[in-house]
Amino acid sequence: DTAVSQTPKYLVTQMGNDKSIKCEQNLGHDTMYWYKQDSKKFLKIMFSYNNKELIINETVPNRFSPKSPDKAHLNLHINSLELGDSAVYFCASSPYRGDTEAFFGQGTRLTVV
Amino acid sequence: GENVEQHPSTLSVQEGDSAVIKCTYSDSASNYFPWYKQELGKGPQLIIDIRSNVGEKKDQRIAVTLNKTAKHFSLHITETQPEDSAVYFCAASNSHTGNQFYFGTGTSLTVIP
Repeated sequence: DTAVSQTPKYLVTQMGNDKSIKCEQNLGHDTMYWYKQDSKKFLKIMFSYNNKELIINETVPNRFSPKSPDKAHLNLHINSLELGDSAVYFCASSPYRGDTEAFFGQGTRLTVV
Repeated sequence: GENVEQHPSTLSVQEGDSAVIKCTYSDSASNYFPWYKQELGKGPQLIIDIRSNVGEKKDQRIAVTLNKTAKHFSLHITETQPEDSAVYFCAASNSHTGNQFYFGTGTSLTVIP
């Protein structure tokens, strides 16, 4: 029944590794997002996809690569992880309209050691 | 792009008192303003939203006001309860350019029993 689900919930990995976070939504939404929340709780958009097409790519290192195999999934792959990548990453989805809410997943806490 | 500022960053109130959180935005084209509540270890969840054609909206103990001229909007929580303790985020979006939510920096609300 979970509307937006992301896995894993926790991820601890060493510097230099490559990791992926998966996200799926069952709401039939056209738009999906990745947000990064740092230790100060700031929520910053990283990417936005509409019907599998990238529509927003904020200033994010190219080590981060989103992939949307279909409009219900938006995965985030991170290469060569750095200490500064440690954060909570949230997936979200919404209809492609700017006047309706976005639904968030539970978050993935990434810790790079 | 849009810039959303939120104040205060932390707020402590006695149970039963009211809490007010204020946000300002910069882009006059923004027309949708959701408020999210984030509890510890969870993703943000919508608690109330307001569209630019409305000046005020209320849902039980929660109300939001919008002043388009001054470009600011506020969240009001009355009769606060300990379970209201959480981080609250305001956001702004422009429905004409699709969904891109710009979030405020968050307010950590503590309700003291």
